[in-house]
Order: sequence, then C-alpha cells, then structure tokens
Amino acid sequence: GAGVSQTPSNKVTEKGKYVELRCDPISGHTALYWYRQSLGQGPEFLIYFQGTGAADDSGLPNDRFFAVRPEGSVSTLKIQRTERGDSAVYLCASRRTEAGELFFGEGSRLTVL
Amino acid sequence: DQQVKQNSPSLSVQEGRISILNCDYTNSMFDYFLWYKKYPAEGPTFLISISSIKDKNEDGRFTVFLNKSAKHLSLHIVPSQPGDSAVYFCAAKDSGAGSYQLTFGKGTKLSVIP
Repeated sequence: GAGVSQTPSNKVTEKGKYVELRCDPISGHTALYWYRQSLGQGPEFLIYFQGTGAADDSGLPNDRFFAVRPEGSVSTLKIQRTERGDSAVYLCASRRTEAGELFFGEGSRLTVL
Repeated sequence: DQQVKQNSPSLSVQEGRISILNCDYTNSMFDYFLWYKKYPAEGPTFLISISSIKDKNEDGRFTVFLNKSAKHLSLHIVPSQPGDSAVYFCAAKDSGAGSYQLTFGKGTKLSVIP
C-alpha cells in the first residue's frame, strides 16, 4: 500500500487478556519501528526491526511485550496479560534504511478495561 | 527524566500571523532534530528537520532554528493558516543510537484562529 497500515484501529480488551496489533509497512522499507503514545505524552520508542531481526528492543517495558517480523515485512506486536496501564495508541513507523524520515501509521488505540 | 521538553502545551495564533513553537533538550548527544505534525486520529507526519551542524533550515512557510549552546530549537510558521491547527511534536535523534530511534516531546497543540 501507499502508507503504513495498522490494524485494528481500535481494540478494547479486558485486563489479563492477550492482544495482537499488526503493522504493514510501506513496501520496500526495511526498517520498522513500534512506538507507544500514552495520553498527554509524545510517542515513546518500543522496538526497532531491521529486516526480520529485532535490532533494538530496549524500549519494551517488560517481558509481557513481544514483537515479531518473520518475513521482514509485516510485524505483530504482542501483549500478554494486559494491564490497564497498557492503554495507549500503539504507533508503527517505517523508513528506508539508507535515508529518509520515519513514516507513521495511524496507530492502534488499545483500551484495557 | 524528559530529554526533550515542549513547555507550552498549547498555543493560539491569529491566521496570517507567525506561530513560534519551542523545544528544549538536555542530551548533548542529540545530533538531529525533527518536527512532526499530528492531526486527531492520524499518525504523526514529518514536517521539517535540522542537523546539529546547521542553525537554520527553511521549507516554504516552515523554518526551524537550532541554538546548540542553549540546547533549544524552535519552529516558525509564517504565515499561519487554519489548516496548520494540529499537535506539533519536537523529536531528537541520539548520535550514539544506531537504530535511529527518536525521543519525542509531549507536543504543543497549535490553534490558528481564522
């Protein structure tokens, strides 16, 4: 597609449940990023993929969070045993490796009740 | 500890006048700075950037100024238009971070009044 696509756009779940959020980056972009934006805050870095591998996962808050990108294109962010504090907009972004800026998707709004 | 600070949560400007959005940072390892614009229910979109080796970058109505000694940058929009109403995020890249991860401020909501 023309832009970064994220699904679902909205997800409401109950505390303790498992959630998957999907990101389809811009075609040809090898670098993929996940950010989280909580209410009243700027986006915060979670994890960066270069190709299929997670090159930097230093932003993941704890081991309940995990992300994969098995074929170097689509990525899935997985959150286990969700907590109310996980409620936020999860943003995915991609860029070409050599140059250029980050292109963000519209985000997936997660609400944990 | 906020490394990128946008101390004004909101700003209102009359259409046609200048909008000045400010950003301060604390990390001297930041070497590249960006401004993103965000409309409701959309992802941030890149607006303009500046390398730490420059002190000014201009793109149409948008100019970013960087004062390295003061660890301060600003975005000027001239003339402001109602379509500029959005949240503006200042972001910075750490020269020591190989992953191009960005550190964002909390944003400033700009309202341009017709």
